[in-house]
Formats: sequence, structure tokens, C-alpha cells
Amino acid sequence: NAGVTQTPKFRVLKTGQSMTLLCAQDMNHEYMYWYRQDPGMGLRLIHYSVGEGTTAKGEVPDGYNVSRLKKQNFLLGLESAAPSQTSVYFCASSYSTSGVISYNEQFFGPGTRLTVL
Amino acid sequence: AQSVSQHNHHVILSEAASLELGCNYSYGGTVNLFWYVQYPGQHLQLLLKYFSGDPLVKGIKGFEAEFIKSKFSFNLRKPSVQWSDTAEYFCAVNPRAGNKLTFGGGTRVLVKP
Repeated sequence: NAGVTQTPKFRVLKTGQSMTLLCAQDMNHEYMYWYRQDPGMGLRLIHYSVGEGTTAKGEVPDGYNVSRLKKQNFLLGLESAAPSQTSVYFCASSYSTSGVISYNEQFFGPGTRLTVL
Repeated sequence: AQSVSQHNHHVILSEAASLELGCNYSYGGTVNLFWYVQYPGQHLQLLLKYFSGDPLVKGIKGFEAEFIKSKFSFNLRKPSVQWSDTAEYFCAVNPRAGNKLTFGGGTRVLVKP
């Protein structure tokens, strides 16, 4: 099992450029998440998905779009990159909830370090 | 909205010293609680988790955490740290009926050999 993988590992963009980050998981998880990690702020949820074809906004969704066309993949897009989007991006996945009980242990990918100049 | 506070941003210790990292959360309902660790240059890994039962939870690498419901706290402890414990530690909370984690700001721990 590869677990959660992310591509690319590093990227440098110029302001206004676009790019897509790819996350893939081979654990048959229903839920997938995109976070950004900034110093002193922990991880903040950008968007998430509770299943194929569904997405929802997290805490900091502005400037990002996502798609979940296949269960195992979750794409994060930046249409017009800004310096404020310089960050480390982590993808995670987890099992679905069962009834009213949520055992939401999330498994994380290795991260993508993005710099926007 | 729920929030998670980690009181110490940076901690510097010598090997064999004891470690305690504070974590408090604000949410009135039932929660699941987690501590994740991020070693330099690596992704987040789960240290331990609490869902229910014994409020003293033991995790990997000699770490433990205690859930004190009345104080809304989930503090992480290790009796004797090693240089290899140098890392950033994150507390995280999610409501029992939800599916989103809220993370604290993290605590950077440096263990001097």
C-alpha cells in the first residue's frame, strides 16, 4: 500500500499562474481533504470531499477549487496563484463515518511545498 | 465554531527530561481527540487518539495523553524524551458526529542531545 501520495513535491509559480495538485489514495477511503500548513497556524482545511463527485468548502476555500471525479483521487486547483498561497499543502483521507459515530483518523500524504513569487 | 489551543509554540528540552504539551479545545459536545507528530521534512503521523473509555491513552514511542473532560483538555506527555523526539506536535479535535478535524497551531519541540 502506498497510502496517500501527492504530486508534485515542490513547485514554484509566478503570480497569476495556475496549477493543479494531485492527491491519490489506495485505501478505499470515502473522505478526502486538502489542508494548508502555515507557521504557527497549524493545518487549516481548504476543501474536503465525502465521496466521489462531491466536494465542500472548509475553513479557507477562497482562491482554490477541487474536484473528486474518481474515489481515489482528489485534485486541488489554483486558478490564479497569489503570494498569499505560498504554503505547504497536505492531502489526507479517512474512512467514512458509521451512523452517528465518527472515527475520523486521517492519513496524510507527504505534502507539496508551493512558492508563489 | 470549535477551536483548539496549544499553549506552547516552542519547547526546548534536554534528553531524558519529561515533556508535557498542553491542548485545550472549545466544543460542547462529544469529541474525538488526536495528537499528530511531524518529524522534520516528513508528513503528519498519528501518535495517539481518544474516542471513548479510559481517559489515559497510550500511543506510540512512549507517548501518552490524558483527556480531562471537565477542563476540555487533552495534554500529551512523555516521561523521558530522546533526541529523536525533535518534531512538531499537533493536537486535533473533531466532533463525534462530524467529519472535519480542527488542528491546534502546533508546538515545536527541540530535544538537545
